[in-house]
Amino acid sequence: GEDVEQSLFLSVREGDSSVINCTYTDSSSTYLYWYKQEPGAGLQLLTYIFSNMDMKQDQRLTVLLNKKDKHLSLRIADTQTGDSAIYFCAEISDSGYALNFGKGTSLLVTP
Amino acid sequence: DSGVTQTPKHLITATGQRVTLRCSPRSGDLSVYWYQQSLDQGLQFLIQYYNGEERAKGNILERFSAQQFPDLHSELNLSSLELGDSALYFCASSVEGRTPYEQYFGPGTRLTVT
Repeated sequence: GEDVEQSLFLSVREGDSSVINCTYTDSSSTYLYWYKQEPGAGLQLLTYIFSNMDMKQDQRLTVLLNKKDKHLSLRIADTQTGDSAIYFCAEISDSGYALNFGKGTSLLVTP
Repeated sequence: DSGVTQTPKHLITATGQRVTLRCSPRSGDLSVYWYQQSLDQGLQFLIQYYNGEERAKGNILERFSAQQFPDLHSELNLSSLELGDSALYFCASSVEGRTPYEQYFGPGTRLTVT
């Protein structure tokens, strides 16, 4: 499948905003997803965006999609220590239903 | 809690052995997906079943096989295990045919091959 790229690590202070970036290469992707994985846990679906949208807001989360540049970002407002986790960007794969994940961005929130 | 259950939580076995991982999807979900998470490969899609039938295959080795039963639970069978098969194995489920194909993941089975 195509590669989904993410930066590996991000550190922010509590109360600041976090922005996690992702680039994808499959121009036919219809949905793009953000998942969160806490230590020792499974993946939690945070939010998703349809490819004909530019932005989606859900409480503290804002997803921005630049389809021309194939760039997706997740902004977390007022980041808390409980937001420390690995965040995965994913797109629908060539098979049509399975998810093609990036390697994940490890977010560390410091007090 | 996503509603997807997986057993066992941890599994330790030796090289050359065979193991079976089990997954029960969320109530009403007909699709089951298996993913492998390892440090070097990240999260990789293995295989998908929909209502008992294989729907899509990803990077699944020939030593691995899966099936989905009439009650919709699924099993992933891993045989002739190698050290490199040590990983977290996740099951996910979704309601197919209804966008946006939200997949809900179970807590995973951590497999250690010694």
